[in-house]
Amino acid sequence: ETGVTQTPRHLVMGMTNKKSLKCEQHLGHNAMYWYKQSAKKPLELMFVYSLEERVENNSVPSRFSPECPNSSHLFLHLHTLQPEDSALYLCASSQVAGADTQYFGPGTRLTVL
Amino acid sequence: GENVEQHPSTLSVQEGDSAVIKCTYSDSASNYFPWYKQELGKGPQLIIDIRSNVGEKKDQRIAVTLNKTAKHFSLHITETQPEDSAVYFCAAIRDQAGTALIFGKGTTLSVSS
Repeated sequence: ETGVTQTPRHLVMGMTNKKSLKCEQHLGHNAMYWYKQSAKKPLELMFVYSLEERVENNSVPSRFSPECPNSSHLFLHLHTLQPEDSALYLCASSQVAGADTQYFGPGTRLTVL
Repeated sequence: GENVEQHPSTLSVQEGDSAVIKCTYSDSASNYFPWYKQELGKGPQLIIDIRSNVGEKKDQRIAVTLNKTAKHFSLHITETQPEDSAVYFCAAIRDQAGTALIFGKGTTLSVSS
């Protein structure tokens, strides 16, 4: 397995469910990111982790909870989501946080009913 | 903070023609400008990038130009092919810890044969 992988690729959940998105990078990078991509909107940065420490949190609602147990894995825990949270959630990694090339995974298509 | 404007939002060309996508940025301290291509069902993939110490960079049919004075940069695709059809995103960032890429809204390029 190479690059950045994400599971699941598709997820449908009710507003009262709890689910988690998983991201794994096989590039030896030190920074990982979560983005939200909605139709007709720019990519929105949600969280940045550098060396397993969160360095940026862009005013994301608390119903999204990130976790970075090591530099290769990143999770996004979801609970009591709203229908407007339906979107493509993308994970990315880079060698360092900052002005460095980011490599994206294929994304998880989330639908909240 | 940084703001990136991207134009046009859609672009249709005939196979073999050239395509140009333009972006402007607001933060004069930004010094790294990547371009990403996103195909249906996939995450964005880096296709070319440029740093502020150069004015132009080329990779086969793809080139990027940067005008720091005017704060704009452009993607040029020559001899377009149907497989170039995708959504293209520009982004900008300053090389400072804790900052993140700011993306444009994307350009949907359609190449017809």
